Amino acid sequence: QQQVKQSPQSLIVQKGGISIINCAYENTAFDYFPWYQQFPGKGPALLIAIRPDVSEKKEGRFTISFNKSAKQFSLHIMDSQPGDSATYFCAAMIPETNNNDMRFGAGTRLTVKP
Amino acid sequence: GAGVSQSPRYKVAKRGQDVALRCDPISGHVSLFWYQQALGQGPEFLTYFQNEAQLDKSGLPSDRFFAERPEGSVSTLKIQRTQQEDSAVYLCASSDAQTGGRGYTFGSGTRLTVV
Repeated sequence: QQQVKQSPQSLIVQKGGISIINCAYENTAFDYFPWYQQFPGKGPALLIAIRPDVSEKKEGRFTISFNKSAKQFSLHIMDSQPGDSATYFCAAMIPETNNNDMRFGAGTRLTVKP
Repeated sequence: GAGVSQSPRYKVAKRGQDVALRCDPISGHVSLFWYQQALGQGPEFLTYFQNEAQLDKSGLPSDRFFAERPEGSVSTLKIQRTQQEDSAVYLCASSDAQTGGRGYTFGSGTRLTVV
């Protein structure tokens, strides 16, 4: 029951290139959109997040672009490095519900080649 | 502790066996979540606790799954009569917020393999 659709499933980028991962959602009640990074054998770790009242948020080499009307958001990794190789998950949340649970995309396995 | 601790890291169970997975959240964190992550998929919500109260268990896939957090800290996810489709990584996350759980911290998970 994926409420958040993520693409591509896998991505290979050369070192120094830009990695772009896209997500789309249906539920307009979502109002918090985090991205998580997961290394093998580890739990997901929060990378960057955005609320829909802004169209872009940048933290270092990581940028989220948000298109509220299209119900889409994307993660851009500038100057991609081999250490960025991991699985990335977008997620969406309705924070004011009782359970605060997040809905995750299926993930994108990023490989950055040296 | 400094992070969310889960044990065991790996568990192999024979089909039909009962298993118990433990989660030690960050001290003082009010909210605790269990997620199931199948191979190559994103985490799927199972259940949520606020202190000792289980406020949402809508994600538990069957009545063989049971979770508890009796004293509002450590939580246990129990799976009875395990089936092969239960094989997955079970993630626990905790948050210090009662609402708006911005500060989710995940543990490293327990990888359950049912043979």
